Amino acid sequence: SQTIHQWPATLVQPVGSPLSLECTVEGTSNPNLYWYRQAAGRGLQLLFYSVGIGQISSEVPQNLSASRPQDRQFILSSKKLLLSDSGFYLCAWSMSGLLDTQYFGPGTRLTVL
Amino acid sequence: AQSVTQLGSHVSVSEGALVLLRCNYSSSVPPYLFWYVQYPNQGLQLLLKYTTGATLVKGINGFEAEFKKSETSFHLTKPSAHMSDAAEYFCAVSPQGGKLIFGQGTELSVKP
Repeated sequence: SQTIHQWPATLVQPVGSPLSLECTVEGTSNPNLYWYRQAAGRGLQLLFYSVGIGQISSEVPQNLSASRPQDRQFILSSKKLLLSDSGFYLCAWSMSGLLDTQYFGPGTRLTVL
Repeated sequence: AQSVTQLGSHVSVSEGALVLLRCNYSSSVPPYLFWYVQYPNQGLQLLLKYTTGATLVKGINGFEAEFKKSETSFHLTKPSAHMSDAAEYFCAVSPQGGKLIFGQGTELSVKP
């Protein structure tokens, strides 16, 4: 069966510091991978998605970037965090060729102070 | 453009009562429809989905939803609420298998 991992689970960072969140998927090959952000009291915002190694699509211009160095690894980064980057970050995957049925990881709670 | 509207950001029911969470969508092409549940500080879990075929879809934990094309709706129901059903519920639409578009979510509270 497939599993998805995210780390860290929680993170408190000062404004202006860098960020690296990691997501890995097990039990499937060539998945589509997604990063979402969920701000307090708001819905899910799709940030990036990837259909293959090195292929990143950005949905919203912002202070963040994503990379996919390996087939089942997806990384969310920032060079300098802003207060507005605080939120709950969710990674998700779907089967190759399908963008709809997505399975989510446990999430990372990021607080920028 | 596709969109999803969840009526009511917060719904409260008594334990044992009917749960009804409303979702309406707009889509220019036949949609795939989904309901996800999110427990506090956790990721989203797929409850059920509709792609084609039977319009009444049964999911996990006793939930079901009915696709009504004429009403552009996909409401989520459960005959009898349990305390463990307290969570946030998200409706989502996928235009013919494209990326998911989520509603804003409905927080369900269950009173003893």
